[in-house]
Amino acid sequence: GDSVTQMEGPVTLSEEAFLTINCTYTATGYPSLFWYVQYPGEGLQLLLKATKADDKGSNKGFEATYRKETTSFHLEKGSVQVSDSAVYFCALSVSGGGADGLTFGKGTHLIIQP
Amino acid sequence: NAGVMQNPRHLVRRRGQEARLRCSPMKGHSHVYWYRQLPEEGLKFMVYLQKENIIDESGMPKERFSAEFPKEGPSILRIQQVVRGDSAAYFCASSPRGGPNEKLFFGSGTQLSVL
Repeated sequence: GDSVTQMEGPVTLSEEAFLTINCTYTATGYPSLFWYVQYPGEGLQLLLKATKADDKGSNKGFEATYRKETTSFHLEKGSVQVSDSAVYFCALSVSGGGADGLTFGKGTHLIIQP
Repeated sequence: NAGVMQNPRHLVRRRGQEARLRCSPMKGHSHVYWYRQLPEEGLKFMVYLQKENIIDESGMPKERFSAEFPKEGPSILRIQQVVRGDSAAYFCASSPRGGPNEKLFFGSGTQLSVL
């Protein structure tokens, strides 16, 4: 079945550090890939997405590139801020998969220290 | 435009009681999804509903769980005779249309604790 694996947390970084959160997937069909972010006390919000190979999703300084050859969708940011502290979820949705519920990874808790 | 509203935020039940979780989708959204997040796990898809119809319930446990999305009013996730293993965060999401590339808008979740 479809699955998403992302790096275990928590990940603790200092402000202005470079961030990478790894995400790999297995899927039947041709998935769309997503990163969602959950700030404390809030629901998940779509951060970025990519729908085909080599697409790059970007938003709020975050980027992720859809790599079909390595089945990966790693999240990166060049200089993190304290306000980026949140839980980040990698997810996929299979094209043509019926009702298309998203398949999520377990989430990575990111802590940015000033 | 209010976001997806879930209530209650926290729900405590004793084993054997019933839990009813409510979700009001964003205005204009007719597609609702329910997800469950068990401790130390990612969100797991449970059920997808359109107004008055269950489209996909492949992620729903076969017993004790049911969901509805009536013509009027919020979507309800109902858990009968709760057990400790039902303790989890339950998230609702909505979208204006269905499909694999559709952006989902999530609520803040209901944390269910079964004593």
